[in-house]
Amino acid sequence: EVHLVESGGGLIQPGESLRLSCTASGFTFSNYWMHWVRQAPGKGLVWVSLINPDGTITSYADSVKGRFTISRNNAKNTLYLQMNSLRAEDTAVYYCTRSGAYVDYWGQGALVTVSS
Amino acid sequence: DIVMTQSPDSLAVSLGERATINCKSSQSVLYSSNNKNYLTWYKQKPGQPPKLLIYWASTRESGVPDRFSGSGSGTDFTLTINSLQAEDVAVYYCLQYYETPYTFGQGTEVEIK
Repeated sequence: EVHLVESGGGLIQPGESLRLSCTASGFTFSNYWMHWVRQAPGKGLVWVSLINPDGTITSYADSVKGRFTISRNNAKNTLYLQMNSLRAEDTAVYYCTRSGAYVDYWGQGALVTVSS
Repeated sequence: DIVMTQSPDSLAVSLGERATINCKSSQSVLYSSNNKNYLTWYKQKPGQPPKLLIYWASTRESGVPDRFSGSGSGTDFTLTINSLQAEDVAVYYCLQYYETPYTFGQGTEVEIK
């Protein structure tokens, strides 16, 4: 059974940094593209970033480009999202998702709150 | 960026009746080389992550009840829920994965009338 478990969320002040992790199990992690999708409280879903299976291709939403970095460690079955220069508008639940051709499985999400 | 627009924003349907949700993309998400529409539908209940219902615009995910169906091609798509059940109360989202940035519709909230 596919499992995606996010960790690393929390309360952080504007301008600071945070790294999210997503530990995968139940499938061959190194074969799949992975994504981060976020959802601000009471709002809709917003795609954030993707990475290809070997980590050589990444893409970002304009709203996080230059501040967020996606990466992966296939030996550890783990996806990361390094978030720098955080802003209040980055407050959201961050979901780790998997895609073959399309996004299928989602983790339960990690809440990131950016506030002073 | 491809803009995805869902309609309506919310709808109330009686139990056992049909719910229809539309999703329109600002440009085609049909890939000509394989004739596939790069569009998925998700269902999200409060406090839960989204769940995949439909991929390639019309293929139902394994385990999804057959009262859920997807249709459409190019820029206009529809999610239909036949014979609405109480457990179908949720927010439904379309997503285009034709190109990055991937983009979601704003969501359609389905409730019981």
